[in-house]
Amino acid sequence: GQQVMQIPQYQHVQEGEDFTTYCNSSTTLSNIQWYKQRPGGHPVFLIQLVKSGEVKKQKRLTFQFGEAKKNSSLHITATQTTDVGTYFCAGKPLGNTDKLIFGTGTRLQVFP
Amino acid sequence: NAGVTQTPKFQVLKTGQSMTLQCAQDMNHNSMYWYRQDPGMGLRLIYYSASEGTTDKGEVPNGYNVSRLNKREFSLRLESAAPSQTSVYFCASSERQTGAFFGQGTRLTVV
Repeated sequence: GQQVMQIPQYQHVQEGEDFTTYCNSSTTLSNIQWYKQRPGGHPVFLIQLVKSGEVKKQKRLTFQFGEAKKNSSLHITATQTTDVGTYFCAGKPLGNTDKLIFGTGTRLQVFP
Repeated sequence: NAGVTQTPKFQVLKTGQSMTLQCAQDMNHNSMYWYRQDPGMGLRLIYYSASEGTTDKGEVPNGYNVSRLNKREFSLRLESAAPSQTSVYFCASSERQTGAFFGQGTRLTVV
């Protein structure tokens, strides 16, 4: 079955440093979504990318969808303590856009 | 708007007991999902429903059943709870071209 892996599993950074998490799917995706989950909370939708090679920005966050539509990345510039949480990618397989499979997540800790 | 509402928020069951987790959304979404979240395992899809009247297995369906009662409601049933089903359960809904909205979660402990 489809698997979506993320690396790293954990990342600790000093406030102001950059952070990147990588997402890899075992199968081609129709789209990729990113979510953020604060400790004790529920996942909150951040963004969706649909096109091969697509890049989108939200303030300090940059999202990229790979050319083969099997991988993606999230980069945060100059992290802040408010960025703390777990970041998940989630993909819909090509041919089944009703199914949403989540990645394993990257937990980000930011030290002031 | 309430968004996605899950009940109950917390539950403790004894091994072998049954229970139903309720989920309702008021956004008129076609797709609904049930996930479980365990430490270090991310969110794993249990079942999903693309529209009223249809349900499909996800990654970890064993030990669970679901009902898409109508467009608003999607329930998850544990017929005979096991300690391995101790987890946080999330319900979510979406349209095909949009991101998913999640409920607050149900923290289930099976002893």
